[in-house]
Amino acid sequence: AQSVTQPDIHITVSEGASLELRCNYSYGATPYLFWYVQSPGQGLQLLLKYFSGDTLVQGIKGFEAEFKRSQSSFNLRKPSVHWSDAAEYFCAVGAPNNNDMRFGAGTRLTVKP
Amino acid sequence: EAGVAQSPRYKIIEKRQSVAFWCNPISGHATLYWYQQILGQGPKLLIQFQNNGVVDDSQLPKDRFSAERLKGVDSTLKIQPAKLEDSAVYLCASSLDSAGYTEAFFGQGTRLTVV
Repeated sequence: AQSVTQPDIHITVSEGASLELRCNYSYGATPYLFWYVQSPGQGLQLLLKYFSGDTLVQGIKGFEAEFKRSQSSFNLRKPSVHWSDAAEYFCAVGAPNNNDMRFGAGTRLTVKP
Repeated sequence: EAGVAQSPRYKIIEKRQSVAFWCNPISGHATLYWYQQILGQGPKLLIQFQNNGVVDDSQLPKDRFSAERLKGVDSTLKIQPAKLEDSAVYLCASSLDSAGYTEAFFGQGTRLTVV
């Protein structure tokens, strides 16, 4: 079965600085890849997804992610972080045709003023 | 468009008691999921329904957990009897169809505390 590793449990960045959250996946073929954000007390919101095609994916709230097959990675980036971006971020991998998503353990983002 | 509705939002029970959670998916969504999210971990899929049939329940602890989706719309997840390690947030999600992939929308979850 597919699996996801998010190596960073907690990241702190200053407001206005750039951000990169790491995600590595394990799957035998081309997976479906997702990034979700979870604010305190809220449900999971989809930021972006990759199914096929262009490996650089644009999402909501100014986020983007790049699929690198050779590195089995799908890192999330944002050029300038806002205080409202403080939240928990989850990377997930899905196997095509079964909608079975497996989530990483998450990375908690703290934004310093 | 209304989102995925879950109730209750919070529940505290003693170990060995029973508890049930309810989920109403987005109208027209054929696929419904229940996830368990333990503090500090990512969501773990417990069970996936396609209409009223089970697609995947391989990670559901069937000795104590059960779920049903009668009539292919809303769903209930039950724990009987509860253990301390069942303390978690239980997330329900729905998607339009599981043939190919469509986005899953999540409810706000039910936070269960077992004491």
